[in-house]
Amino acid sequence: SQQGEEDPQALSIQEGENATMNCSYKTSINNLQWYRQNSGRGLVHLILIRSNEREKHSGRLRVTLDTSKKSSSLLITASRAADTASYFCATDAISSGYALNFGKGTSLLVTP
Amino acid sequence: NAGVTQTPKFRVLKTGQSMTLLCAQDMNHEYMYWYRQDPGMGLRLIHYSVGEGTTAKGEVPDGYNVSRLKKQNFLLGLESAAPSQTSVYFCASSSQKGDTGELFFGEGSRLTVL
Repeated sequence: SQQGEEDPQALSIQEGENATMNCSYKTSINNLQWYRQNSGRGLVHLILIRSNEREKHSGRLRVTLDTSKKSSSLLITASRAADTASYFCATDAISSGYALNFGKGTSLLVTP
Repeated sequence: NAGVTQTPKFRVLKTGQSMTLLCAQDMNHEYMYWYRQDPGMGLRLIHYSVGEGTTAKGEVPDGYNVSRLKKQNFLLGLESAAPSQTSVYFCASSSQKGDTGELFFGEGSRLTVL
């Protein structure tokens, strides 16, 4: 079963605004990752945050992790039209111990 | 710099037909995965492999078989296709165990079963 659930399912903002997406998961994790998927393309890795980290930055991306609440957030600052995509959080798949479980994703639309 | 290559990119099958999806990676990765993506369902793990000659079941393995005879290739087979297998299939690979390393994805294979 899917471990992570993103919220909101869809988000529409204008260029220059910040976009925040949230991910909640059910069981303890070692790491949490965020991926991006442009329409009709494969997923691309954005960032990995370890369970002992609370915040991580990469360019315009800021990821936070709250293990006590079993939640993570992805903030994209100063959004651009090119940021339009679906964003997925992924956690380790407890059942396999090797693969990742992905949430259903947040669809982000950034309008000029 | 190919990365992960999936073939074919598109395929239409009739119910009961069989087919094989091929995934090839040129990064010498140990771990390979097959996911399916359906609207509103996100990505679900079908099968995975932790090295040449190994395969294991994921979340939704029924109706699929896999083989990893060569380290660089991971094949996904449908022996008797059903309309419920209409989906977009993604292959991915990683150099480390999935939760500790980055997954590299192919561009997907869109399968329609009539």
